Amino acid sequence: ETGVTQTPRHLVMGMTNKKSLKCEQHLGHNAMYWYKQSAKKPLELMFVYNFKEQTENNSVPSRFSPECPNSSHLFLHLHTLQPEDSALYLCASSQTQGQNYGYTFGSGTRLTVV
Amino acid sequence: DAKTTQPNSMESNEEEPVHLPCNHSTISGTDYIHWYRQLPSQGPEYVIHGLTSNVNNRMASLAIAEDRKSSTLILHRATLRDAAVYYCILLDGNTGKLIFGQGTTLQVKP
Repeated sequence: ETGVTQTPRHLVMGMTNKKSLKCEQHLGHNAMYWYKQSAKKPLELMFVYNFKEQTENNSVPSRFSPECPNSSHLFLHLHTLQPEDSALYLCASSQTQGQNYGYTFGSGTRLTVV
Repeated sequence: DAKTTQPNSMESNEEEPVHLPCNHSTISGTDYIHWYRQLPSQGPEYVIHGLTSNVNNRMASLAIAEDRKSSTLILHRATLRDAAVYYCILLDGNTGKLIFGQGTTLQVKP
């Protein structure tokens, strides 16, 4: 257990479904991140939140919608996904953005779009 | 974002030291050198980081070249549980963004 908890661990959804991924940390961190890891590709940074405010959106399609209600929780809302969106989605947190702090990652949600 | 270059794969024998190299010739003054590793079916795990001086912790040592254009992660006694993908990343102290490359896949033989 790393201190960053992601649920669910596995998710299978149809292209017309709506689902949400959840990330939770009680490390006292103020920055949270979503990454996508596709097969045979490096991790891709998707979104960054610092003190609940979104500070980065790396040209992510609008079918991915993040939400950060407080510094401890981060959601990724999914709708009308494509099969190529199947990947491991990783959440991470750090003390704050813009400083030299290590990241703590969760174990990820393995998403399969059918 | 500053880039790093690592070998795609390396092999080691169990209980022997492992030196994982990383080149970062375009490193800037505000970039910190971070190392993470990712075991199969898990998220990345922080290993160590440094700026200019060599660093040691319970997991590994980090040796940084004097000109900071390269660094080496040292695992003092490799175990089978150290088999993972190791990422060398330059973290911009201003933006705080961690941008991953392909990393080095380390195999440890018994």
